Amino acid sequence: QQQVKQSPQSLIVQKGGISIINCAYENTAFDYFPWYQQFPGKGPALLIAIRPDVSEKKEGRFTISFNKSAKQFSLHIMDSQPGDSATYFCAASGNFGNEKLTFGTGTRLTIIP
Amino acid sequence: DAGITQSPRHKVTETGTPVTLRCHQTENHRYMYWYRQDPGHGLRLIHYSYGVKDTDKGEVSDGYSVSRSKTEDFLLTLESATSSQTSVYFCATGNTGELFFGEGSRLTVL
Repeated sequence: QQQVKQSPQSLIVQKGGISIINCAYENTAFDYFPWYQQFPGKGPALLIAIRPDVSEKKEGRFTISFNKSAKQFSLHIMDSQPGDSATYFCAASGNFGNEKLTFGTGTRLTIIP
Repeated sequence: DAGITQSPRHKVTETGTPVTLRCHQTENHRYMYWYRQDPGHGLRLIHYSYGVKDTDKGEVSDGYSVSRSKTEDFLLTLESATSSQTSVYFCATGNTGELFFGEGSRLTVL
């Protein structure tokens, strides 16, 4: 069973545009929601994470928006750049990140000039 | 970067042969994980360890076993490889929250 659903599977955005990736979860015990970024041939790396006590977290051009009632969270990449082209995974866990992460299926993002 | 080394990085083997993948960390992290990554499935947890000789199953553990005799080493064994185990395998480590991933081991089972 898939506890974290991620969409879209792939996304093409023009340079300078906004990239938006969405995730939905089912388990109400989840309370830690990270996003990982993976470049080809590399392992994933933590990009940004949020806990449900806030509705938004911003780090540079990357923003997580969180909607607890809808059990949804999304990643927004502002002013998208070719260097942002990568696969992005959302994830969720409980006990403030002390439990195993459940990953979404990934979104392959391509930024075109 | 966290010191996580996976070996081998690439392996081609035949159906029915045993395969062992090794993960070595220099970060003294308590938790270690093995994931497999397949198109359309994302990252799926195979097994994990929460201490030396303490391991547990993940969501796709059938056909895999693990061992952790030292804090720094976590081995993943395919006792009799099958074509469905062709995948990219990632080791990850951490204490709480953030996971640090190795660069992956690409396994092809013919």
